[in-house]
Amino acid sequence: DAKTTQPPSMDCAEGRAANLPCNHSTISGNEYVYWYRQIHSQGPQYIIHGLKNNETNEMASLIITEDRKSSTLILPHATLRDTAVYYCIVQNSGGSNYKLTFGKGTLLTVNP
Amino acid sequence: GAGVSQTPSNKVTEKGKYVELRCDPISGHTALYWYRQSLGQGPEFLIYFQGTGAADDSGLPNDRFFAVRPEGSVSTLKIQRTERGDSAVYLCASSLDGGSGANVLTFGAGSRLTVL
Repeated sequence: DAKTTQPPSMDCAEGRAANLPCNHSTISGNEYVYWYRQIHSQGPQYIIHGLKNNETNEMASLIITEDRKSSTLILPHATLRDTAVYYCIVQNSGGSNYKLTFGKGTLLTVNP
Repeated sequence: GAGVSQTPSNKVTEKGKYVELRCDPISGHTALYWYRQSLGQGPEFLIYFQGTGAADDSGLPNDRFFAVRPEGSVSTLKIQRTERGDSAVYLCASSLDGGSGANVLTFGAGSRLTVL
């Protein structure tokens, strides 16, 4: 599986947009980009995923560059409850798509 | 159920004891996963079940670890002769189907194991 690189930590003001970057320069054509987050003392929570196109759901937006070597997760109006570790994961769509490889993620702290 | 349920939420045991951790996945999810998370690290894959069978157990650290899913629903992770290094949060997840395409996992809250 391709590796991802994320900053270890970021801060954001409450009510502002949080933009979390992820580099995945070795991503291959059949690999999805997934984002999960983990709030303290909870299990990881799925946020969004994409293959080539930008995606949006009720939680966030995912912007994938045209060359697919990087992506950005956008939380449009961050709240204190969005403080969590955010994991960017690339995963192939083939037979081994079950094995998510988590890095250390980005600790996002939303400040009042 | 509505989510993935794991019991116990906390388990403290002594070195050398046997431990069982239980996972009740979302109803209808055929795929089930166990992960382990040490302090300050991301979760690490342990084992994946498709139905009743372990399709991939390559993440189990050694033969003291074993997991079963006899009826294709509830799974139990079993750890024999526990060691202090086994202390971690053990996470269970399930998904509709671990086959090809996008695969979204729903995780439980985890079982925190402390080996004294």
